[in-house]
Amino acid sequence: KNEVEQSPQNLTAQEGEFITINCSYSVGISALHWLQQHPGGGIVSLFMLSSGKKKHGRLIATINIQEKHSSLHITASHPRDSAVYICAVRSNTGNQFYFGTGTSLTVIP
Amino acid sequence: NAGVMQNPRHLVRRRGQEARLRCSPMKGHSHVYWYRQLPEEGLKFMVYLQKENIIDESGMPKERFSAEFPKEGPSILRIQQVVRGDSAAYFCASSWTGNMNTEAFFGQGTRLTVV
Repeated sequence: KNEVEQSPQNLTAQEGEFITINCSYSVGISALHWLQQHPGGGIVSLFMLSSGKKKHGRLIATINIQEKHSSLHITASHPRDSAVYICAVRSNTGNQFYFGTGTSLTVIP
Repeated sequence: NAGVMQNPRHLVRRRGQEARLRCSPMKGHSHVYWYRQLPEEGLKFMVYLQKENIIDESGMPKERFSAEFPKEGPSILRIQQVVRGDSAAYFCASSWTGNMNTEAFFGQGTRLTVV
């Protein structure tokens, strides 16, 4: 079993829809990251969270430390949001990051 | 302030050759992490380096792979005698400190293809 599980694996949405991607983890963490990876492209860090909620533009990330769960929300989705979204956690017992396998999002115009 | 720079972006090697992947961290960052993303798989930690020191190499294969981060210059991930199974995207990230709450910034990755 992976240390980090994401759902759904694939998601197709109509432009304008509200999108939620979920991440559950099983290890103790010091921080959780949401990353964005475009096809053939590099990785961009969207958020780093250790508690509560953060918002950047149309993106919102929340984390519940007790439940070991985080969500990434995209409001008013747009085709340019199409990418793979990866949840990553940094272990609180070492230097390792553990990554989810990603959620592939396609937003249709 | 340039971000994390990796080069080359794409690298093709024949089986048995050596591959050298370079990562220049963000200015002021002295901590570098290397990750590998195999086709259809998630990212996996390989090695964590601080200037001139390997801190954690628990994710790196014991043979053929090595990494360094010299006092001057980029971090280098070196793969000797490459095999087809080494074909993957290799990403590095850098951070200012090794503190667990410090954000890490990722590079664009190097896509290695072994033919």
